[in-house]
Amino acid sequence: SAVISQKPSRDICQRGTSLTIQCQVDSQVTMMFWYRQQPGQSLTLIATANQGSEATYESGFVIDKFPISRPNLTFSTLTVSNMSPEDSSIYLCSVDTSVGYEQYFGPGTRLTVT
Amino acid sequence: AQSVSQHNHHVILSEAASLELGCNYSYGGTVNLFWYVQYPGQHLQLLLKYFSGDPLVKGIKGFEAEFIKSKFSFNLRKPSVQWSDTAEYFCAVRDTGFQKLVFGTGTRLLVSP
Repeated sequence: SAVISQKPSRDICQRGTSLTIQCQVDSQVTMMFWYRQQPGQSLTLIATANQGSEATYESGFVIDKFPISRPNLTFSTLTVSNMSPEDSSIYLCSVDTSVGYEQYFGPGTRLTVT
Repeated sequence: AQSVSQHNHHVILSEAASLELGCNYSYGGTVNLFWYVQYPGQHLQLLLKYFSGDPLVKGIKGFEAEFIKSKFSFNLRKPSVQWSDTAEYFCAVRDTGFQKLVFGTGTRLLVSP
C-alpha cells in the first residue's frame, strides 16, 4: 500500500491568484496522478506525472493552467494558476503502486476560489 | 473513449436491507474494474477489484461484485447493510493497456439506523 499526504488540506483563494498543492508519498512510485472532483461530480483525471518526464495532460487540461512538477519518486506538485471560481474543487493526488495495479488516493485539497 | 455509468445517484436504505449498486462501462477491450468508497470526511479507499479469473470478487466489509462481461457490468452488492456503510461509492474502469482510471459519477448511500 501507499500512504499519501497532501498540503494544504484546504484553502480559500482570490480569483487571479495561484495555488500550489503538494503531494508526498511514503514510498517510491513510478506513476502519480492528479484528479479533480468538482462539487457533486465524479473524479476527472487532470494529468499523469512520471518522474523525469513531462506530465501528460488529459483533454481539456493544459500545462499553462495546471503546471505539474515531479522532482523525484515520492513527491509532486500541482499548481492551479490564475484561478477563477470555476476552479473551486477538490484536487486529489493518486499513485499507482504497480504491484496489484491499485491506485491509492490522498486525502485531497479542498479549494474555494472567491 | 471509455465511460462508466452508475445508475443510482442517491440510495437510501434501512439497516439490514440488501444493497445492489449498478455499474456499466463502455469499452470493448480488456479492462480492470474497481469499486472505491469514500466515507464522510475520509479519502477514497479501494473496496474491491477485478482483474481476471472468478467474476465474483469479494472485498472488504462484506462487499462483493460480479463482473458480467456480456453485459459490461460490475455491480456491487452487500446482503445486509449497516449504518457505517453510509458513504459515496464509485465504480472505476481501467483499460489494461493504460494506467488511466475512468470513474463513474458516484452513488451516495445513506443507511438509516
